[in-house]
Amino acid sequence: AQSVTQPDIHITVSEGASLELRCNYSYGATPYLFWYVQSPGQGLQLLLKYFSGDTLVQGIKGFEAEFKRSQSSFNLRKPSVHWSDAAEYFCAVCGGGGADGLTFGKGTHLIIQP
Amino acid sequence: DAGVIQSPRHEVTEMGQEVTLRCKPISGHNSLFWYRQTMMRGLELLIYFNNNVPIDDSGMPEDRFSAKMPNASFSTLKIQPSEPRDSAVYFCASRTSPSGNTIYFGEGSWLTVV
Repeated sequence: AQSVTQPDIHITVSEGASLELRCNYSYGATPYLFWYVQSPGQGLQLLLKYFSGDTLVQGIKGFEAEFKRSQSSFNLRKPSVHWSDAAEYFCAVCGGGGADGLTFGKGTHLIIQP
Repeated sequence: DAGVIQSPRHEVTEMGQEVTLRCKPISGHNSLFWYRQTMMRGLELLIYFNNNVPIDDSGMPEDRFSAKMPNASFSTLKIQPSEPRDSAVYFCASRTSPSGNTIYFGEGSWLTVV
């Protein structure tokens, strides 16, 4: 069975600083990996996804993530955060060759300091 | 295009009452998912359908929960009888095909059982 670990429950970053959110997955085959963002009271919005090919993927809102098979990681990065980036961020893996539902990590709550 | 539409957005009900949550997936999407989100357990996949057929309901917590998808444009999640521990946000999501594409989420149904 697949699983996702997001080791940081909360992260505080100053506005304008760089950001890295960690994600580790467990899955026996090639994973389909996703990052979603959730603002308070809202649904989940897809930031980016990795299926195959280039291991550095670009997403919306200036986010990127890098797939590292050797480390079973898919960390999310942004070079300069904005106050509007404050939200909950979820990493997810999809098994079954992409045919299953998503298994989510517990999420990382991002706080932006002025 | 309209996204995934869920109703009701908010519901408060008394313990023992029947609750029905409704979902209209994105037109043309063949897979539909029901998730539950709580502080303690995070995002859990309850059940998903491909082409209106339930594929995996192993996440349904107990017999009080049931889900149906009578046609490609409508699904329900029913809880009967409801209990306070069912209080959560229930998300419906859909995907274009069974394999490997993005899963789009609705804005959720916020359920409180008192």
